Amino acid sequence: DAGVIQSPRHEVTEMGQEVTLRCKPISGHDYLFWYRQTMMRGLELLIYFNNNVPIDDSGMPEDRFSAKMPNASFSTLKIQPSEPRDSAVYFCASSLGGMETQYFGPGTRLLVL
Amino acid sequence: DQQVKQNSPSLSVQEGRISILNCDYTNSMFDYFLWYKKYPAEGPTFLISISSIKDKNEDGRFTVFLNKSAKHLSLHIVPSQPGDSAVYFCAAKEDTDKLIFGTGTRLQVFP
Repeated sequence: DAGVIQSPRHEVTEMGQEVTLRCKPISGHDYLFWYRQTMMRGLELLIYFNNNVPIDDSGMPEDRFSAKMPNASFSTLKIQPSEPRDSAVYFCASSLGGMETQYFGPGTRLLVL
Repeated sequence: DQQVKQNSPSLSVQEGRISILNCDYTNSMFDYFLWYKKYPAEGPTFLISISSIKDKNEDGRFTVFLNKSAKHLSLHIVPSQPGDSAVYFCAAKEDTDKLIFGTGTRLQVFP
């Protein structure tokens, strides 16, 4: 079975541009998570969904960040406008039934110039 | 304020020896703890976990120890192998709440 799929794997953009990150969770999983990894803060949870419904978005840094999950097999994380401090690796993860064992995608490395 | 702290950013161990990775937490309500391992250019993968009702959980070469009074968690790898070289994240959660991750420790196992 395919694991969590993320695209693109790398993204380089200029400050002020819109960035959209995509995620396909493992089929049948009912939880989906978006994380950001930085050296200083490690892995930070941005938002998570349960059965396509956003449950906790308290980790979203500011209004420039938004996430959607239109169906059980697709989610997006959008940054508009992007800023250099958004440069990080963004991970999507999914799980079945709860928070414990989460399966992570390979991540999207974002560089905002 | 980091609720889960990994104070050693890196650790270097000789092959065959024991690797001990440490993690401290501040929230006494955490009831479940996990370790994830991450290779470069890959996402983290689940390694081992422990419930707060236990003080030890073992899985092959990996053992996690929990000291609730000290709010301290450790991962022991015995014997260490070069393939264990990776970044290790500890994580904790309270009840049905979200996972809180530490900043990670980079383990390097050299021959």
